[in-house]
Amino acid sequence: ETGVTQTPRHLVMGMTNKKSLKCEQHLGHNAMYWYKQSAKKPLELMFVYSLEERVENNSVPSRFSPECPNSSHLFLHLHTLQPEDSALYLCASSQDMAAWGTDTQYFGPGTRLTVL
Amino acid sequence: DQQVKQNSPSLSVQEGRISILNCDYTNSMFDYFLWYKKYPAEGPTFLISISSIKDKNEDGRFTVFLNKSAKHLSLHIVPSQPGDSAVYFCAASASGGYQKVTFGTGTKLQVIP
Repeated sequence: ETGVTQTPRHLVMGMTNKKSLKCEQHLGHNAMYWYKQSAKKPLELMFVYSLEERVENNSVPSRFSPECPNSSHLFLHLHTLQPEDSALYLCASSQDMAAWGTDTQYFGPGTRLTVL
Repeated sequence: DQQVKQNSPSLSVQEGRISILNCDYTNSMFDYFLWYKKYPAEGPTFLISISSIKDKNEDGRFTVFLNKSAKHLSLHIVPSQPGDSAVYFCAASASGGYQKVTFGTGTKLQVIP
């Protein structure tokens, strides 16, 4: 596998379910990101991790819980979601968090989440 | 309040002609700009970037122009090819420290053979 992979690619869950999204990067990068893309809205940054440490939490509801066990893996744990949380969730990585505004981010294909 | 705006949700261009995608920003602190391209069922991929110290950056068929006074940038694709059909996202950031990238809503480009 190369680049950034995400599983599952599609997920349908009820409001009372607990599920997790997984992201893995094979690029040797130090920073990883979760974004949310809703229809007709810009990509919204949710979380940023640098060397497994969370450095940004963009006012995301607590029903979204990230986990970064090492610099190659990033999880997004989901529980008691709302229908408005249905969106495309994208994971990305970049080489160096110290300059992440100018550092090219490499995106995974995303997980299309539907909350019923 | 959207700091990066792509006012054209879609654009159709004939193959071989020029495609011009536009982007406006409101935050005067932004000094680094990027374009990403996204195909269906794939994540965005980096296309080209420009720093505010320049007003033009070229990479093959892709050229980005920056007009700082107008807070406007554009992506030119010449000649356009059917494989360029995708959604193009404009993004901007302010350098210095941990500055996040702010994305626009995207413009869907269709290149007609």
